[in-house]
Amino acid sequence: QLQLQESGPGLVKPPETLSLTCTVSGGSITSSGYYWGWVRQPPGKGLERIGSIYYSGAAYYNPSLQSRVAMSVDTSSNQFSLKLSSVTAADTAIYYCVRHISLGHFDYWGQGILVTVSS
Amino acid sequence: NFMLTQPHSVAGSPGRTVTISCTGSSGNIAANYVQWYQQRPGSVPTTVIFENNQRPSGVPDRFSGSVDSSSNSASLTISGLRTEDEADYYCQSYDDSTHWVFGGGTKLTVL
Repeated sequence: QLQLQESGPGLVKPPETLSLTCTVSGGSITSSGYYWGWVRQPPGKGLERIGSIYYSGAAYYNPSLQSRVAMSVDTSSNQFSLKLSSVTAADTAIYYCVRHISLGHFDYWGQGILVTVSS
Repeated sequence: NFMLTQPHSVAGSPGRTVTISCTGSSGNIAANYVQWYQQRPGSVPTTVIFENNQRPSGVPDRFSGSVDSSSNSASLTISGLRTEDEADYYCQSYDDSTHWVFGGGTKLTVL
């Protein structure tokens, strides 16, 4: 059974960089056709796309966040990561890592990690 | 940018049927698959419909999905409402093969 687990600091100061890692277990991050993504949800609000990455390193970001986002993959550790720079209180959210196929649904989600941006 | 618009809230009585709409801002919503996710309070979203009208294993057939090109919208229909259906529901689709988007979410209240 595939499992995704987010890790990283729960508190980040503005305007520092938020860094999260998603560890994939029970399957390989290099499985053909699968993308690995990040979704966030501010408290009491809806789901927001951050972006996705393929194991080759090709990444696709939400245009509204593109200038601040970077995603990477570490195939040797079966992990992928998110960096969001110049954070503000508006970046406070639960961050989920997910798996999906191209044009497909998000079939696996991590449990989510709450990241609070506050000085 | 491609956007999906959902009603903020819908409500229904136990045993009744409700439909949640999801309208595309441009293009043809039928060009790419639409998914629907259920999120109960404090829980991780789960898929109730994928590829417009497919149900994952374990999702009851009370849940159904459809797409209407003429109105550029998708719909999630839940029949035989139960109290456990009370949740937020999100549609999700793609602008192209690499850019995906969620609707704003609909809160379903079972009265």
